[in-house]
Amino acid sequence: ETGVTQSPTHLIKTRGQQVTLRCSSQSGHNTVSWYQQALGQGPQFIFQYYREEENGRGNFPPRFSGLQFPNYSSELNVNALELDDSALYLCASSLSPGFSYEQYFGPGTRLTVT
Amino acid sequence: TQLLEQSPQFLSIQEGENLTVYCNSSSVFSSLQWYRQEPGEGPVLLVTVVTGGEVKKLKRLTFQFGDARKDSSLHITAAQPGDTGLYLCAGSGNTPLVFGKGTRLSVIA
Repeated sequence: ETGVTQSPTHLIKTRGQQVTLRCSSQSGHNTVSWYQQALGQGPQFIFQYYREEENGRGNFPPRFSGLQFPNYSSELNVNALELDDSALYLCASSLSPGFSYEQYFGPGTRLTVT
Repeated sequence: TQLLEQSPQFLSIQEGENLTVYCNSSSVFSSLQWYRQEPGEGPVLLVTVVTGGEVKKLKRLTFQFGDARKDSSLHITAAQPGDTGLYLCAGSGNTPLVFGKGTRLSVIA
């Protein structure tokens, strides 16, 4: 059984640029959630995808967008990067939508915006 | 806005000592989860507690959910260096997980 994988591991971008982060869900999982974890903070929910549709969104601006593909993998896109976007971005997959099922987290992508 | 406060923020203890960390909220949660996160990795779920007053044990770790389902505690007996990490609590229900800021535990051999 393959766990949740994320790429890239680390990324450095300049303010104003755009970035795409990728996530492969655990085998058998059809739901993917994305979280932002700033330094010294707990993860904050960005959004969840199920059946290629957004299924809930946290308090993040529209420049944070996502996609889910037929194989359940997912992308997180962030446009017009700001310095405060520097964080660890975590992807979590689960068996079903919502938050009652256990979420399995990937190792994260460390994004630095300069 | 639902908030979870974790205390202490940092804890450094000697191997063999006991410790308790706390997770408190003014909101009621349907369930509460505890995670451990190590550097360079994502959080790993340790336990989910769903019933007020519930106590769950995982080897040397004891988790308790408050009667009113607003708070929780994690007690570690005879801590070992392998227990070192960031312990996060997260409240859940039908809404997205709300995480606390975590307690960073360091167990020194």
